[in-house]
Amino acid sequence: DAKTTQPNSMESNEEEPVHLPCNHSTISGTDYIHWYRQLPSQGPEYVIHGLTSNVNNRMASLAIAEDRKSSTLILHRATLRDAAVYYCIIRQGAQKLVFGQGTRLTINP
Amino acid sequence: GAGVSQSPRYKVAKRGQDVALRCDPISGHVSLFWYQQALGQGPEFLTYFQNEAQLDKSGLPSDRFFAERPEGSVSTLKIQRTQQEDSAVYLCASSLAGWETQYFGPGTRLLVL
Repeated sequence: DAKTTQPNSMESNEEEPVHLPCNHSTISGTDYIHWYRQLPSQGPEYVIHGLTSNVNNRMASLAIAEDRKSSTLILHRATLRDAAVYYCIIRQGAQKLVFGQGTRLTINP
Repeated sequence: GAGVSQSPRYKVAKRGQDVALRCDPISGHVSLFWYQQALGQGPEFLTYFQNEAQLDKSGLPSDRFFAERPEGSVSTLKIQRTQQEDSAVYLCASSLAGWETQYFGPGTRLLVL
């Protein structure tokens, strides 16, 4: 499984954009980049995924570097409800998800 | 619509007791996964079902752990002779197919005393 590196924690202010980085230098050409988040006392929830091109959905945007060795999850206007642990996962077609330690995001009011 | 549900939400067991954790996946989801999450850690894969077939059980930590999904819907994770190191949150997830987005339940928090 391709390894990911994320900062342990990040902090931001409410209504400001948040950029969560992830390094995945051993990614292969067919591996998808997935992001899940886990709110306190809940199971993880899907946020977004992509292969090569940048992706947008109602929750967030995913910016993927041209060499695919890194990516950034972008929350355009953070709210208090976005405080969670964010996991960057490289999915190699296998069914299981391999979670790392993730980034604990704190949002200040 | 209804999401993945798990029961019980909390379970306290004495060391040596057997426990059974239940997962009700989203209706129509073929794939079902179990994960174990220790305090402060990310979830770790335990096992995977496609319908009633257990296709991957490589993550089960010992032969005390057993999972089944006899009719391809509800699944039960059983832990025999619980140990303190089994204390964790057990998460269930389901997906339409193995490679599709996984939808997680709220988890069962197991505390072994």
